[in-house]
Amino acid sequence: DAGVIQSPRHEVTEMGQEVTLRCKPISGHDYLFWYRQTMMRGLELLIYFNNNVPIDDSGMPEDRFSAKMPNASFSTLKIQPSEPRDSAVYFCASSPYPPENYGYTFGSGTRLTVV
Amino acid sequence: AQSVTQLDSQVPVFEEAPVELRCNYSSSVSVYLFWYVQYPNQGLQLLLKYLSGSTLVKGINGFEAEFNKSQTSFHLRKPSVHISDTAEYFCAVSDDSGYALNFGKGTSLLVTP
Repeated sequence: DAGVIQSPRHEVTEMGQEVTLRCKPISGHDYLFWYRQTMMRGLELLIYFNNNVPIDDSGMPEDRFSAKMPNASFSTLKIQPSEPRDSAVYFCASSPYPPENYGYTFGSGTRLTVV
Repeated sequence: AQSVTQLDSQVPVFEEAPVELRCNYSSSVSVYLFWYVQYPNQGLQLLLKYLSGSTLVKGINGFEAEFNKSQTSFHLRKPSVHISDTAEYFCAVSDDSGYALNFGKGTSLLVTP
């Protein structure tokens, strides 16, 4: 298995531009999580899906952030418009059911820099 | 809400010495606890987890952790560290749903010769 695949690995964009981060979870995993990692705030849960349905999006910072999971093998996290404070490493993780029994498998992350 | 506190932001240690990375949790209900490791420029990798049963949990790479309910702790230990153990270590606790994880701020382990 190739693991959780995230793209791009690095993204540099100008303030105000739209940014789309992509994630392919491990086949057969029912849960998909998006986390953001910064030095100041550590790892923050943004949103998670169960069987492609968003379950908890209370961690999404504001309306500029949106996430979708159109099918079991693909998810996107979109920021529009982007701001310098969005600069962070964004991780996608997936897990079979139940997540507490298996833990998560993380992708390698997307390092976003907004200038 | 469940949360964890990692008491040390950095832990320097010499190669082949023992190490303990501390983690305390706050929860009023049963919890699931995890330790993850992050090597530079990589995602997090599961080291070990506590769900129930034996309070001493063994994980990969020679690490182990002990669940202590009375002290609300889940400290990570290794009897003899290697240079390759240099990494960031994260303690995590399941949230109320049991599905999402709340992570600590991390402990940077630096192993030197």
